[in-house]
Amino acid sequence: AQTVTQSQPEMSVQEAETVTLSCTYDTSENNYYLFWYKQPPSRQMILVIRQEAYKQQNATENRFSVNFQKAAKSFSLKISDSQLGDTAMYFCAFMKLDNNDMRFGAGTRLTVKP
Amino acid sequence: DVKVTQSSRYLVKRTGEKVFLECVQDMDHENMFWYRQDPGLGLRLIYFSYDVKMKEKGDIPEGYSVSREKKERFSLILESASTNQTSMYLCASSYRNPSYEQYFGPGTRLTVT
Repeated sequence: AQTVTQSQPEMSVQEAETVTLSCTYDTSENNYYLFWYKQPPSRQMILVIRQEAYKQQNATENRFSVNFQKAAKSFSLKISDSQLGDTAMYFCAFMKLDNNDMRFGAGTRLTVKP
Repeated sequence: DVKVTQSSRYLVKRTGEKVFLECVQDMDHENMFWYRQDPGLGLRLIYFSYDVKMKEKGDIPEGYSVSREKKERFSLILESASTNQTSMYLCASSYRNPSYEQYFGPGTRLTVT
């Protein structure tokens, strides 16, 4: 079974600074998808960024980018120019190519301080 | 915009009661999911459905059942609620292709006393 580990239960960052959230996973699969989801306080979970394992290029979405290290099974999220609205729980997730069974990490609570 | 709605944001039930949690999506998604979210454990899959009347067990199906009679609606049923089922319940939906993201509802915080 696949497992996803987020080793940082809580993090904080100053507004406008850069922060990196860590995620590692364990799988024997070669092709799969990785996701970062954001859950703001009392609001719905939304997708931040997605990475296909067969793509070597790291995904980027505006201020959000990932560092995907396939051999190390590492998938970190970098948030640049942090904004107060980035305060949220962030979940890393893994999905095999052939089914819809998404595995989530325990989450990292990020607080952006003014 | 995709919309996934859940019938209640907060629910308080007594031990032994039968509890229904409803989820509706408006994007004609084939897949629908029920997760349970607990601090330090992330999201754990209870059940998912890939078509009407079809269901698959997730990691923690014990004490739960589901129903999908219409494509847009997926219900989670707690046959006899227990205090250890106090949790946040999240519904999600997606297209059949696994590469598509899952869209989540706002969640139902269930307290069983």
